[in-house]
Formats: sequence, structure tokens, C-alpha cells
Amino acid sequence: DAGVTQSPTHLIKTRGQQVTLRCSPISGHKSVSWYQQVLGQGPQFIFQYYEKEERGRGNFPDRFSARQFPNYSSELNVNALLLGDSALYLCASSLRQGNTEAFFGQGTRLTVV
Amino acid sequence: RKEVEQDPGPFNVPEGATVAFNCTYSNSASQSFFWYRQDCRKEPKLLMSVYSSGNEDGRFTAQLNRASQYISLLIRDSKLSDSATYLCVVNPYTNAGRSTFGDGTTLTVKP
Repeated sequence: DAGVTQSPTHLIKTRGQQVTLRCSPISGHKSVSWYQQVLGQGPQFIFQYYEKEERGRGNFPDRFSARQFPNYSSELNVNALLLGDSALYLCASSLRQGNTEAFFGQGTRLTVV
Repeated sequence: RKEVEQDPGPFNVPEGATVAFNCTYSNSASQSFFWYRQDCRKEPKLLMSVYSSGNEDGRFTAQLNRASQYISLLIRDSKLSDSATYLCVVNPYTNAGRSTFGDGTTLTVKP
């Protein structure tokens, strides 16, 4: 079985640009969460989607948005990129909304120059 | 104060040593707890869930103390391959998707 897949794996963008990151969860998993991890810190929660609805939002500006599609894949969009948005963006899928382990994709490493 | 706090280390230990990591969390209503392992520039991978009764998986033992809001991970007979960053994870709701991560404890096991 395929695990969580994310694309692209690496990305370089210029300040002010927009970026879209993609995630396909494990087959059968309906919950997708997005995290941002900057060097030296743990992942920080951005969004959770379950059954195509937003179920949680972390402390991130409105420049960050996401959605989940009928096949449970998800996209994370970031507008007006700042240098501080440079990070590893991780997608995690879990079977249900509640109290189960999350499995991470390999991440997208975004560099903003 | 961070919601989940870990000693960042680094912990440098010889092969065969026993090492313990601690983690404290601030939200007393937290529902579920995990330890993840993250290798350099890789994604976090689930190591084990943590239960109030404690749980063991081979050389790894995890404990939860809800009264003290404290989680621990014990690694016995350390191997070189155990070198990684260990992340303490707390879910404040009955919802796995909104995990709060500590910043991790770095372990280096030396020959």
C-alpha cells in the first residue's frame, strides 16, 4: 500500500509569489492535516480536514488556505510568500478524526528567496 | 510557555546505554499521546502510542502520568540506529489531526 505522498518534494519561490502543495493520504484515510516545520522546531499545526470539511485551524495568517477533494487528497495554498515561510511542509493522514495515529508524508521543502 | 516541552538535548550516549527522555504538557484535558521519531531531514514516523498503563515495544518503554502531565520514553540497549530526534506529541482533543508537537530531543548513539 502506498503511504502518504506529497508533491513537489522541493520548491524554490520568490517573495510575494503563491505556492500550492499537494497531498494524497493513505487509501481509506479520510483525515488530512498540514503542518509547518522550521529548522530546529517541532511541526506546527496549520489545518485539519476531515470528510472534505475544515475541522481545525492553527495560528497561521489568512495567507494560508487549504481544501480537501472528494478523493480525500488535499492542497495547501500559501499566498504572498514571505522569507519566514521557508520550511518543511508536512501532510499527515489518519483513519478517522478522533484519537488515532497520524502518518506523515515525506514533506515539501519550500525555500522562499 | 510552550504547550509541550522537551529537553532538546543533545543526548550523546554509547551503544548499549539506557537513555530516558521526558516531556511535559500544559493542557490537562489532553486525550492522546505519542512518541514520534524523526531522522535528519525526513518526516516524523510513529514510534509508539503512550497509554496510562504504560506500554513496551521491545527496547522501548513509554509511560504517561496524567496527574503530573508528564510523558517519558525509555530506550534500553541503545543501538547506533536509534540516533534521531524524538518528538513528544499530545492531542488536546479526541482528534488525531490536531497534534501539538514538542521541539524534540536529539539522541546520538556512539560506538
